[in-house]
Amino acid sequence: EDQVTQSPEALRLQEGESSSLNCSYTVSGLRGLFWYRQDPGKGPEFLFTLYSAGEEKEKERLKATLTKKESFLHITAPKPEDSATYLCAFSGGSNYKLTFGKGTLLTVNP
Amino acid sequence: DAGVIQSPRHEVTEMGQEVTLRCKPISGHDYLFWYRQTMMRGLELLIYFNNNVPIDDSGMPEDRFSAKMPNASFSTLKIQPSEPRDSAVYFCASRPTSGGSSTDTQYFGPGTRLTVL
Repeated sequence: EDQVTQSPEALRLQEGESSSLNCSYTVSGLRGLFWYRQDPGKGPEFLFTLYSAGEEKEKERLKATLTKKESFLHITAPKPEDSATYLCAFSGGSNYKLTFGKGTLLTVNP
Repeated sequence: DAGVIQSPRHEVTEMGQEVTLRCKPISGHDYLFWYRQTMMRGLELLIYFNNNVPIDDSGMPEDRFSAKMPNASFSTLKIQPSEPRDSAVYFCASRPTSGGSSTDTQYFGPGTRLTVL
């Protein structure tokens, strides 16, 4: 069965303390692995799409990487404004549905 | 460009009442998705449309839920009758025409927070 698991469920960092979020997935025929950011009371905001193992993408303090079983979202020197829930999702096979993980709630303290 | 538009942003209703949620996708996007988000289950896909036609409604929880897309710029999700367990945030998302996996990216609206008393 296709599924995605995110860890940890919650992460608290001090400003400047780098860390990584994990997304483990099982899918037949990965089409894409997606990262979204969600702020309280808002809809998920698209960050990255990764298509194949070994691919990396960066945006400001965030870098997403992909292997055949996992994706990581690395946060370098985070700031309080990086606090949010980060969601991982995949599309696979011949359909266009996204299957989401439950997210990691990141809190960055000043 | 305007993003996905949803209305209302908040809805409070009583058990047994009919609820209608509305969505306007991004212009030019021909896929539209309805999701429900709860603390327990996260984001769940309810139904999606392609060119106004429902493609997969396997996530619709019960017959009380129905969705329509009468034209390319408007969709509704209706719950009749509503129950307290339907309380959740409902999101609409859209994406452009299939042209490879690069277009699988979905863009979400701000959501409708539904409370059924």
